[in-house]
Amino acid sequence: QKEVEQDPGPLSVPEGAIVSLNCTYSNSAFQYFMWYRQYSRKGPELLMYTYSSGNKEDGRFTAQVDKSSKYISLFIRDSQPSDSATYLCAGLKTSYDKVIFGPGTSLSVIP
Amino acid sequence: EAQVTQNPRYLITVTGKKLTVTCSQNMNHEYMSWYRQDPGLGLRQIYYSMNVEVTDKGDVPEGYKVSRKEKRNFPLILESPSPNQTSLYFCASSGGQGRRATNEKLFFGSGTQLSVL
Repeated sequence: QKEVEQDPGPLSVPEGAIVSLNCTYSNSAFQYFMWYRQYSRKGPELLMYTYSSGNKEDGRFTAQVDKSSKYISLFIRDSQPSDSATYLCAGLKTSYDKVIFGPGTSLSVIP
Repeated sequence: EAQVTQNPRYLITVTGKKLTVTCSQNMNHEYMSWYRQDPGLGLRQIYYSMNVEVTDKGDVPEGYKVSRKEKRNFPLILESPSPNQTSLYFCASSGGQGRRATNEKLFFGSGTQLSVL
């Protein structure tokens, strides 16, 4: 079993839709949870990270962690074509540990 | 501009011909690492370095070498490339000091697409 799993998609939504991207993880020692966005032919860039359970909001993006069910979510409100990318979720036990990435979900936002 | 620079962006080579992919960061980061990205498998760590002259194996180190002679540079060396090393490679760095890296904030290069024929 992979430590971090996510549906690879592709997920296609119309512009303006609310997008929900989800991951599950198996390592209960994870304390940090990250979402990276990766545009085609580019390296991943950090979108958001959260520590432990709870919600974190940044503009149109909300990250949610439920440690009891080992479930990580990223919500994108008012999705834009520029949000079309692959989204990678990741977990981390401590700040200096190895980051474990999920395989990524491909998202297309259609104008 | 803060960045991680990888070269080359694209590389086609033949089996057995030694190659080096360079990585340089201008953020004075202590921690650097190499990943390969394959469809369905995601990012897998090859090697990492906590500091100059300190390197350690990641999940898939076989067939790769690294060195960290300077803080800013972390080259990836394939002594005898094989077709199963055809992949998209990323270098990453993060701040912190010694073991106290801040790996929740990794900075990635733009990637090197390697094809080994």
